Amino acid sequence: QSVLTQPPSVSGAPGQRVTLSCTGSRSNIGAGYVVNWYQRLPGSAPKLLIYDYSKRPSGVPDRFSGSRSGASASLDIAGLQVEDEAEYFCQSYDTSLGRFYIFGTGTKVTVL
Amino acid sequence: QVLLVQSGPEVTKPGASVKVSCKASGYSFIDYYIHWIRETPGQGLEWLGWIHPNTGATNYPQKFRGRVTMTASTSINTAFMELDSLKSDDTALYYCARSGTKDPFDFWGQGTLVTVSS
Repeated sequence: QSVLTQPPSVSGAPGQRVTLSCTGSRSNIGAGYVVNWYQRLPGSAPKLLIYDYSKRPSGVPDRFSGSRSGASASLDIAGLQVEDEAEYFCQSYDTSLGRFYIFGTGTKVTVL
Repeated sequence: QVLLVQSGPEVTKPGASVKVSCKASGYSFIDYYIHWIRETPGQGLEWLGWIHPNTGATNYPQKFRGRVTMTASTSINTAFMELDSLKSDDTALYYCARSGTKDPFDFWGQGTLVTVSS
């Protein structure tokens, strides 16, 4: 099952800043394995949003930023927009229990 | 542009097998890994393994070893994932996704809903 914990939901008004957390452990994020973030719009395939903690693929707006602290990572959305309403999930790596690729539980962002 | 297009929804019975396809276009199929990931209500997102189409090498996590088989056909740029001995909790949305070596999943298929029900 998912081994990275995310809050189920976060909401904010347009223009606000929201922060999504992704909490792991010493065998994954805490061990220095990178964190990637994905956005899944309703009815669409997931899209890579942030990789290697804080890098943005071409075309991703700079209002999305990522960071890591210890065994946790965060995704910041600055200047929330209506089109940001989506599910966001984090992903990392874990060599314990043979899982290798692991995912977060997902956070639904609602724009009020 | 890079596209991964998956086969349509499947309804199958417990104990049966299911085979899902993922057709790639817009890039060199043999140069990237294809991963299979599923999402279930109970377990969330789970990684089922990868295949490298150029060599046919595969890697499966312990949980699915012996029950999942990934193959690829370079002549039609298509990857396949077959899951055997299906149970009701295999009911899930199955995705294929592309990655480079130690890279994130940079493109995903649209997902294939597999329903296991008697």
